[in-house]
Amino acid sequence: AQSVTQLDSHVSVSEGTPVLLRCNYSSSYSPSLFWYVQHPNKGLQLLLKYTSAATLVKGINGFEAEFKKSETSFHLTKPSAHMSDAAEYFCVVSESPSYNFNKFYFGSGTKLNVKP
Amino acid sequence: DADVTQTPRNRITKTGKRIMLECSQTKGHDRMYWYRQDPGLGLQLIYYSFDVKDINKGEISDGYSVSRQAQAKFSLSLESAIPNQTAFYFCATSDRRQARQGGGYTFGSGTRLTVV
Repeated sequence: AQSVTQLDSHVSVSEGTPVLLRCNYSSSYSPSLFWYVQHPNKGLQLLLKYTSAATLVKGINGFEAEFKKSETSFHLTKPSAHMSDAAEYFCVVSESPSYNFNKFYFGSGTKLNVKP
Repeated sequence: DADVTQTPRNRITKTGKRIMLECSQTKGHDRMYWYRQDPGLGLQLIYYSFDVKDINKGEISDGYSVSRQAQAKFSLSLESAIPNQTAFYFCATSDRRQARQGGGYTFGSGTRLTVV
């Protein structure tokens, strides 16, 4: 069965310290993987995506994620948190069971709190 | 203007009332989706449409209906709203060509619906 597990529902860090948001997935196909961010009362914005190219993916606002097939993980990191990073983050897996159809599976989200 | 526009942004309605949420896009994408977001559950797919004549049920379609009036418009209806349909609703679009590369979604800003 396909699934996306975000291991922490809440993460709290101090401004200027590293951020780690964890995501594990299971998939029957070679997946594409995404991280989206949602600020309060806003829509979802794409941070970065992995689509079978380089395993270390760089996104917007200094975020990056590493695809580790052996660990079925796609953890999101940032070296130094800013107050503006406080938001909810969603890990998403996309599979293509047929040629031009892909299905998306969302994790339950991780709320990031950044303390001054 | 936003690529994907949802109206209304907020709505409070009474149990039993019919309500329509609208979504329009300027991306030129062929595929459109309606998702529901509940706290701690991520996003769940309600309906999706690959083109005007191709509409499919998602994971949680009961109590909802949709209409794809044009390639750029996809509306979601609650025929008789009930309180457990209180949630954040997102419209999204994607492109068939991007799907082959596991391309991601473009999301609208969401509609906060409260059923009292």
